[in-house]
Amino acid sequence: AQSVTQPDIHITVSEGASLELRCNYSYGATPYLFWYVQSPGQGLQLLLKYFSGDTLVQGIKGFEAEFKRSQSSFNLRKPSVHWSDAAEYFCAVSPGNQGGKLIFGQGTELSVKP
Amino acid sequence: GAVVSQHPSWVICKSGTSVKIECRSLDFQATTMFWYRQFPKQSLMLMATSNEGSKATYEQGVEKDKFLINHASLTLSTLTVTSAHPEDSSFYICSAKGGGGYSGNTIYFGEGSWLTVV
Repeated sequence: AQSVTQPDIHITVSEGASLELRCNYSYGATPYLFWYVQSPGQGLQLLLKYFSGDTLVQGIKGFEAEFKRSQSSFNLRKPSVHWSDAAEYFCAVSPGNQGGKLIFGQGTELSVKP
Repeated sequence: GAVVSQHPSWVICKSGTSVKIECRSLDFQATTMFWYRQFPKQSLMLMATSNEGSKATYEQGVEKDKFLINHASLTLSTLTVTSAHPEDSSFYICSAKGGGGYSGNTIYFGEGSWLTVV
């Protein structure tokens, strides 16, 4: 069965520091991969997605993610974190033949120190 | 850009009553919509897939008779929590997918609906 693992439940970084949030997936073929951000009590905002092609994907708000097939990973990165980036981040996978159904990781809560 | 709207954003209901949550795609036609449930500090769990004009497909462990889903038009899906109990209190989020094949489409999420059963 498909699954997504985000190993880090909570990460704290200093403002201006770099960030990497980990995501590993389990799926037999190349899945469609997503990163979403959720502020408390709100819905989800898509940061970026990977379907095919260039394995380094650029998203909104200065985020990027790299798909590594050999490691079954899709880690999210940002070179310099801003205080407004504090939120919950979800990695999700959509099996290619299931048209939009998403399986989410457990989420990583990001705190930003001033 | 495309927008998915949920209504109501917040709802409080008495135990034993039913409550309906709407999910609308505002500027595109959504052939498929999805309903998720999220408990505090937890991830989103897919409840069901809602297809316009046909029965919803429920995930394992989700009670079909308790969580009624209707997708009567290409822009509206509704989730009705029947005979609600306090354990049904949760954040319910819908997403919508446009038509024309998946690889070019993006999944859009609604803002979510908080349900509190007292």
